[in-house]
Amino acid sequence: KAGVTQTPRYLIKTRGQQVTLSCSPISGHRSVSWYQQTPGQGLQFLFEYFSETQRNKGNFPGRFSGRQFSNSRSEMNVSTLELGDSALYLCASSSEQGASYNEQFFGPGTRLTVL
Amino acid sequence: AQSVTQLGSHVSVSEGALVLLRCNYSSSVPPYLFWYVQYPNQGLQLLLKYTSAATLVKGINGFEAEFKKSETSFHLTKPSAHMSDAAEYFCAVTTNSGNTPLVFGKGTRLSVIA
Repeated sequence: KAGVTQTPRYLIKTRGQQVTLSCSPISGHRSVSWYQQTPGQGLQFLFEYFSETQRNKGNFPGRFSGRQFSNSRSEMNVSTLELGDSALYLCASSSEQGASYNEQFFGPGTRLTVL
Repeated sequence: AQSVTQLGSHVSVSEGALVLLRCNYSSSVPPYLFWYVQYPNQGLQLLLKYTSAATLVKGINGFEAEFKKSETSFHLTKPSAHMSDAAEYFCAVTTNSGNTPLVFGKGTRLSVIA
């Protein structure tokens, strides 16, 4: 079974631009979560989707948004990029609702650099 | 609110030596606890999890962790380090409701010296 895939793997943007990151979960998984990983803050939860519904949202500004499609693929969007948005963005999928206490399978991440 | 503290951002051990990575948690309700490992340029992989069954949890690659409620700890151990264990390790906590997001510690980078 193919793992979680994320595209693109690397991205360079400039301040003020917007970006869309994509995540394809493991086949059959309906829950997708997004995390931001930075050296200073570590791993921080962004949001979780299950069956196209956002079930949980972390403490991030409204510039960060996401959605999930009927095939469980998910996208996250960051508008008006800031330098501090430079990070590794990780997507994780889980087969069941209540992703936080079930095993999550992580993708390799998208490395976003904001110049 | 829940939180996790990992003591030591970097731990270095010799090959064949005991690995001990420390994790202390804070939770107002019974926690579910996890250890994840991240190899360079990869996502995280689950090593083991505690879900209120046995307090000693065995995971993959010879790792195990013991849940100690009185000490609010969930330390990760491995009797004999291997070069391939060099990676970053994350402890995480959530609740059994499934509605509480995973809260991760800052991570501990493990180096294994030949």
